[in-house]
Amino acid sequence: DGGITQSPKYLFRKEGQNVTLSCEQNLNHDAMYWYRQDPGQGLRLIYYSQIVNDFQKGDIAEGYSVSREKKESFPLTVTSAQKNPTAFYLCASARDYNQPQHFGDGTRLSIL
Amino acid sequence: AQSVTQLDSHVSVSEGTPVLLRCNYSSSYSPSLFWYVQHPNKGLQLLLKYTSAATLVKGINGFEAEFKKSETSFHLTKPSAHMSDAAEYFCVPGAGGTSYGKLTFGQGTILTVHP
Repeated sequence: DGGITQSPKYLFRKEGQNVTLSCEQNLNHDAMYWYRQDPGQGLRLIYYSQIVNDFQKGDIAEGYSVSREKKESFPLTVTSAQKNPTAFYLCASARDYNQPQHFGDGTRLSIL
Repeated sequence: AQSVTQLDSHVSVSEGTPVLLRCNYSSSYSPSLFWYVQHPNKGLQLLLKYTSAATLVKGINGFEAEFKKSETSFHLTKPSAHMSDAAEYFCVPGAGGTSYGKLTFGQGTILTVHP
C-alpha cells in the first residue's frame, strides 16, 4: 500500500544535540511538508518542498533545516538552535499544491 | 486568500445521535475545502474534500458535508455518532491562491462521544 512513513515514532533529544526525523513517501507525490503540533493547537508549517532540490520556509522555520535530494524523502533536522523542540511532528505529501495532503503518523520529540 | 472559522472548539454527543461540526469560510473566489480527522497520537486523515464539482460531498466513515455559498458554510455531519468518531476535526481551506502549497490549520474541533 502507498503511504507516508515517519520514523522514529518517539525521539529524545539531549541539550545541544541535533536530531533528524525521517519522512518517506511512495505515493509519487511532488509536494512534501513538515508541520509542528503543540498541545491544544493546530498545525504550524515548518518547511515545504514542491520539487526535488527545492524547499521553502514555512511560518516557523527557525531552528529547523530540511533537504530534498530525492522525491521520496524529506528529512527534517531539529537543530540545537530550536530552544523549545518538544512537540508532535507531522510530515505530509500531496500530488501538487492544490490537492489534499496525506499525512504520516507523526514523530513525538521530547527533551531529555 | 482563503480562511476558515470552526465555530466550536468542543462538541459532545451521545452515541447514536447526530453529529454537527460547524465551519464557515471566507474567500473572494470559489474555494476548495477539506475536512480532516486526527485521532490521538496519529496523523491527520482526509475525511472529504470539496472542489466545486458537487455541493454535497460524501466522505469516509459515514460523514458528509454540504457547501452552502449563501451561508459561506461547510459543516460536517454524520447521522449517528459512533464511539470511534471521538477525535479532533479540522476544516482546512485548499492552498490555491495562497502561498504556494501552504495550508492553514485552525484550532480544530474536539468531538467527544458518550456511551
